[in-house]
Amino acid sequence: DVKVTQSSRYLVKRTGEKVFLECVQDMDHENMFWYRQDPGLGLRLIYFSYDVKMKEKGDIPEGYSVSREKKERFSLILESASTNQTSMYLCASSLSGPLEKLFFGSGTQLSVL
Amino acid sequence: EDQVTQSPEALRLQEGESSSLNCSYTVSGLRGLFWYRQDPGKGPEFLFTLYSAGEEKEKERLKATLTKKESFLHITAPKPEDSATYLCAVHATGANSKLTFGKGITLSVRP
Repeated sequence: DVKVTQSSRYLVKRTGEKVFLECVQDMDHENMFWYRQDPGLGLRLIYFSYDVKMKEKGDIPEGYSVSREKKERFSLILESASTNQTSMYLCASSLSGPLEKLFFGSGTQLSVL
Repeated sequence: EDQVTQSPEALRLQEGESSSLNCSYTVSGLRGLFWYRQDPGKGPEFLFTLYSAGEEKEKERLKATLTKKESFLHITAPKPEDSATYLCAVHATGANSKLTFGKGITLSVRP
């Protein structure tokens, strides 16, 4: 089975800190995604990557950046964390092409105080 | 703009009481519609992909159907372990690899 591993289950940070969320997949998937999930708003795409060093903005990229130096690893960076970035962050990967099913990690619940 | 609306927001069923979850969508052109299940504290897990109107797919007590405007997830004789949030997502023409998700339907099945 495909495994998507997110480095932290819970994270508490202070306003203004630089925050790194790490995601690793073990099945040689081409595509990787970062979503955030908020009550009443559903899943919203922050960034995605379809190849190493390639990235595309999703629907809500402001305040975030990403890095994909290796195929299996996709990092989400909050340059200066703010309280409105408190959320559940979900990483996902898919084999290749737009219609492949997504495999999700278990999520990182980030609290910014 | 692509839109996905799921209804109802929450549904409570008695064990064995069959029902349906609705996903209505508005897209320029549908390439695929996805159903996912999400348990508390976990990431969503893939259930089905539907590609064209009239298509149906089944898995155990779940059956997904698709029309040109909406999809239904029918749950037959549900059990408490079917309790979860069910997410619908669409992939539209020209959307690269982006999916648009609905807000989800939280299903509770009482024993």
